[in-house]
Amino acid sequence: GNSVTQMEGPVTLSEEAFLTINCTYTATGYPSLFWYVQYPGEGLQLLLKATKADDKGSNKGFEATYRKETTSFHLEKGSVQVSDSAVYFCALTGGGGFKTIFGAGTRLFVKA
Amino acid sequence: DTEVTQTPKHLVMGMTNKKSLKCEQHMGHRAMYWYKQKAKKPPELMFVYSYEKLSINESVPSRFSPECPNSSLLNLHLHALQPEDSALYLCASSDILTNEKLFFGSGTQLSVL
Repeated sequence: GNSVTQMEGPVTLSEEAFLTINCTYTATGYPSLFWYVQYPGEGLQLLLKATKADDKGSNKGFEATYRKETTSFHLEKGSVQVSDSAVYFCALTGGGGFKTIFGAGTRLFVKA
Repeated sequence: DTEVTQTPKHLVMGMTNKKSLKCEQHMGHRAMYWYKQKAKKPPELMFVYSYEKLSINESVPSRFSPECPNSSLLNLHLHALQPEDSALYLCASSDILTNEKLFFGSGTQLSVL
């Protein structure tokens, strides 16, 4: 079945550091890939998405590229801020159903 | 309006109580979802409604009873819950044609005593 694996956290960075959170997936067919972010006390919100191979999703300085050859969708940001502290979930949908498969989540702490 | 509104934000209930969680969206989405999220874990799918009909029940215990009275509202009725049911309950919706991007509410933090 489909699955998503993302790097264990927590990740602790200083402000303005470079961020990478790794995500790999296993899926049949051509899934769509997502990064969701969850701030403390809130629900998840979509950060970015990519629907086909080589697509790059981007939002708020975050980027991720859909790499079919490596089945990866790594999240990057060139300069993190304290306000980026949150939990980040990699996810996929596919097969025309209603199920979104989430990774375990990676907690990010950014220190001033 | 791109919001999914959930009430209440917090709920404390005893194991013999009956309570309901409510969810509302006005984006015209015809797919609506209930998820359960334990601390430091990803959301787990509980139920999916499409066109106001129950499409998916992920083997959820009968003490959780979903209801979709119309295309904008989704309820989750709770009865005789156990302490291990304490969690954040998230409602979500999506455009049924694309079935991709989920719009989540802020959730109800439920504590069962």
